[in-house]
Amino acid sequence: DVKVTQSSRYLVKRTGEKVFLECVQDMDHENMFWYRQDPGLGLRLIYFSYDVKMKEKGDIPEGYSVSREKKERFSLILESASTNQTSMYLCASTSRDEQYFGPGTRLTVT
Amino acid sequence: GENVEQHPSTLSVQEGDSAVIKCTYSDSASNYFPWYKQELGKRPQLIIDIRSNVGEKKDQRIAVTLNKTAKHFSLHITETQPEDSAVYFCAASNAGKAAGNKLTFGGGTRVLVKP
Repeated sequence: DVKVTQSSRYLVKRTGEKVFLECVQDMDHENMFWYRQDPGLGLRLIYFSYDVKMKEKGDIPEGYSVSREKKERFSLILESASTNQTSMYLCASTSRDEQYFGPGTRLTVT
Repeated sequence: GENVEQHPSTLSVQEGDSAVIKCTYSDSASNYFPWYKQELGKRPQLIIDIRSNVGEKKDQRIAVTLNKTAKHFSLHITETQPEDSAVYFCAASNAGKAAGNKLTFGGGTRVLVKP
């Protein structure tokens, strides 16, 4: 079974803090993704990576950066957290078509 | 870029009835259309997908249809059961275009099956 894990299920941070969300997959997938999920807006792509050290902007990259130093690990960074970044963050990985999702991190910025 | 719209946003059906969710897409180059199901508190999981060279695909009680000319595709669930209650997402991508197999998702449909 494909396993995608995320570093935290719940996270509470203060405005202006630097936030790190980490995602790890164990299936040697080339492609990894970060989404945010908000009611009525579906899953919106923040960034994705198709290889180590490679990254591409998704549809809503503003306020976020990413890092992929190892194939199995893809990190999402909020340089200076703001209240409008309060959301559910989902990581996913794939080698071809089906995307396998992590359990999600519910981030609250106060 | 691609834009995917999904309707309805909520759907309530009686157990045993059928449920239909519709999606439209904007990029005529899109050629891969998956559907994901997300149960409450769980991660999204792929339930069925269709490629642009096929008009319809079935898997037990679920089916997906694709109309490339009109750029819309639909999910059909027959004989609904309480375990079908979930949020369903459609998505579209141009699977051969860019590295990364990027998907664009619809806004989701919350389906409630009433016993």
